[in-house]
Amino acid sequence: QVQLQQWGAGLLKPSETLSLTCAVYGGSLSGQYWSWIRQPPGKGLEWIGEINHSGSTNYNPSLKSRVTISVDMSKNQFSLNLNSVTAADTAVYYCARRHWNYHILTGYYNYFDPWGQGTLVTVSS
Amino acid sequence: DIQMTQSPSSLSASVGDRVTITCRASQSISGYLNWYQQKPGKAPKVLIYAASSLQSGVPSRFSGSGSGTDFTLTINTVQPEDFATYYCRQTYNTPWTFGQGTKVEIK
Repeated sequence: QVQLQQWGAGLLKPSETLSLTCAVYGGSLSGQYWSWIRQPPGKGLEWIGEINHSGSTNYNPSLKSRVTISVDMSKNQFSLNLNSVTAADTAVYYCARRHWNYHILTGYYNYFDPWGQGTLVTVSS
Repeated sequence: DIQMTQSPSSLSASVGDRVTITCRASQSISGYLNWYQQKPGKAPKVLIYAASSLQSGVPSRFSGSGSGTDFTLTINTVQPEDFATYYCRQTYNTPWTFGQGTKVEIK
């Protein structure tokens, strides 16, 4: 059973860099994509970006200029850096595995599971 | 980006009711859709993938249907533990996008 545990600084000042790390337990980084998703307080979910074990990334264009996602295979971890944060970046940040597979009836499919526990990051001066 | 629009934004239901939530995509996404359930203070949990496939361990009172641009999540005989917020998500292409959520509250 794959489990994700995440950590990182919870309080930042404007213009600082948000850094979070997610460790994968009970499985390997290989073969799947690993995502970061955020949720501002009381609002919906926004996908930030993802990475696979070889370092191939996809980013949300709305955040691409400020986001870097990296992977450390030796530690079975992946990380998020978001620079030049503002109050608009205040949110709960989740890491998640984007599990994908193929079924003869449905074709290729994917979904986010499991998820990390979430980290509230507050940006305030 | 593909925009996902859910309706209603919130609804009230009694235990035992049948609840239906709809999700509309801004373009055709075939059957590339998930449904998630989120309870306060918790991470979302996948209920349905590929529009109508039930994730392992999810009660059979949950079902999904639809294809193209219009999708539905149905909860038959809603239970107390089903009161939560539900999100659809398109899995057709990046950036992956979610609906704005539907909060299901107790009447």
